[in-house]
Parts: sequence; C-alpha cells; structure tokens
Amino acid sequence: NAGVTQTPKFQVLKTGQSMTLQCAQDMNHEYMSWYRQDPGMGLRLIHYSVGAGITDQGEVPNGYNVSRSTTEDFPLRLLSAAPSQTSVYFCASTTGSDEQFFGPGTRLTVL
Amino acid sequence: AQRVTQPEKLLSVFKGAPVELKCNYSYSGSPELFWYVQYSRQRLQLLLRHISRESIKGFTADLNKGETSFHLKKPFAQEEDSAMYYCALRGTGRRALTFGSGTRLQVQP
Repeated sequence: NAGVTQTPKFQVLKTGQSMTLQCAQDMNHEYMSWYRQDPGMGLRLIHYSVGAGITDQGEVPNGYNVSRSTTEDFPLRLLSAAPSQTSVYFCASTTGSDEQFFGPGTRLTVL
Repeated sequence: AQRVTQPEKLLSVFKGAPVELKCNYSYSGSPELFWYVQYSRQRLQLLLRHISRESIKGFTADLNKGETSFHLKKPFAQEEDSAMYYCALRGTGRRALTFGSGTRLQVQP
C-alpha cells in the first residue's frame, strides 16, 4: 500500500492564481481531512470528509474548497491564492480506530 | 470549544536525561488524547494514545483529568528522539483532531 499520497510536494503561486492540491489514499478509509501547518500554530483543520459525497468545514475553511467524489481522492482547491495561504498542507485519512495517517505534505508559497 | 496547549516551543536535553513534554487541554466532555511525532524529513505519525495505555519507544503519557493534562515522558532521552511532537485531542462523537502548536525536542549528545 502506498498509504496517503500528496502532489505536488512544492508549489509557488502568484496572488490570485488557483490550483488544486491532490490527495489520495489506498486504505479504503472513509474519513479524510486537510490540515495546514504554520509555525507556532500547529496543525489546523481546513476541511474534512466522512465519506464519498460528504464534506464539511473545519477550523479554517475560508479560501478553500473540497470535494469527495470517490473514497480514494480528496482534492483541496485554492480558488484565488493569497499570501496568507502560504503554508505546509497535510492530508490525512483515518482508520476505524481513529488513527490518522498523514501524507508527506505540500509546501505552498504564495507571492 | 476544545483547545490544546503545548507551552514549550523547544525543549533541549542531553542524552540520558529525563524528558517531559507538557500538554494541557480544555474540553467539557471526555476527550481522547494522542501524541503525534514528526521526525526530520518524515511524515507525521501516531506515537501513542491514552486509551491504549502502552509505552512506545520508551515514551509514556498519562491522562490526568483533574489537571486536564497529558504530558509525554521518557526516563532517558536518546538522540533519535529528536523530533517535533504534537499533542492532539479528539472530542466525543467527533473524528477531527485538534492539535497543539507542537514542541521541538532536541536531544544533545
């Protein structure tokens, strides 16, 4: 199993550009989530999904959209990037016993 | 609202010294507490959870509901313990985790 995969690993955007961060898992987990990691602030939940077709907002959802058309994929979309969205983004999927498996992260810089 | 506080950004100890990484939480119900660890160039991974009450890599953590704490302890630190440690809380009936801001542990030779 590849576990949780994320692409790209690094990305530089200009303010106002849009992009999609990809996340996929091959463990058949129903629950998936997106976090952003900022210095001194730990990980903050952006959006999460309890299964295909179901998504909900986390702590810091503004500026981000998600969709969950399949169990495997949970992409995160930035519609109009802002410098405040410069961060490291982690995708995670969760087992039935609530252990979260994290992807390797995407480091995003918005100029 | 639920909150996790890790008061130390950096904890530096010498090899063989005891380690205690502090974690305090606020939550009105009965939470589930976790410690996650991120070694250099590796992804975040679960270290231990309070319901399993086990020792992983020599680390233990006891949930103290009276003090609302879940401190991570190890009697003798090793250089390979150097990493970023995050305390996390899961509220009753929820799947999402609330993370603390993290503590970087540096174990010097």
